[in-house]
Amino acid sequence: KQEVTQIPAALSVPEGENLVLNCSFTDSAIYNLQWFRQDPGKGLTSLLLIQSSQREQTSGRLNASLDKSSGRSTLYIAASQPGDSATYLCAVEGNTPLVFGKGTRLSVIA
Amino acid sequence: SAVISQKPSRDICQRGTSLTIQCQVDSQVTMMFWYRQQPGQSLTLIATANQGSEATYESGFVIDKFPISRPNLTFSTLTVSNMSPEDSSIYLCSVTYLDGAFFGQGTRLTVV
Repeated sequence: KQEVTQIPAALSVPEGENLVLNCSFTDSAIYNLQWFRQDPGKGLTSLLLIQSSQREQTSGRLNASLDKSSGRSTLYIAASQPGDSATYLCAVEGNTPLVFGKGTRLSVIA
Repeated sequence: SAVISQKPSRDICQRGTSLTIQCQVDSQVTMMFWYRQQPGQSLTLIATANQGSEATYESGFVIDKFPISRPNLTFSTLTVSNMSPEDSSIYLCSVTYLDGAFFGQGTRLTVV
């Protein structure tokens, strides 16, 4: 059974810092991994999708990497801003529908 | 990508009543997914809704409690039946395309 773990559970940083969020999964037989952002009480916004054959994806200040063999992914956020404050979720899709981690709650302090 | 409209966005309901949540997608999709997010928790898949057939429920979820309709390829409803305070959660619908999974804005349900 696929399990997804995200570390840290919460993170508080000053504005302008670069930061890394971590995601690990137990079953490396995945089709893809996706990072989402969730604002309090809201739905999920897709940030980046990495197919199993890819190593990384970039969108603006965000860069996500995938090491499928070791079951790890990282989300790198450059030059963080207060507007980046949200919960970040990673999810993997394999032979079963999406399995989510519990998320990292990020606070960027101005 | 997809535009997914979900309503209501929030509701406060009395225990013992039922609430139907609607999900409309701007393009045809084979499968639609319904998730629950309990307070402070991550998302858990309730069921997969296929047009023209019964929904497939995940372990721990039953049709009598969470009946689902899928009348066409762009629309689905989830009903939360005979509600109790433990059903207070965010409920989300989702679809999947080649460029990933996309979610509605969620329905925040509070049962009192």
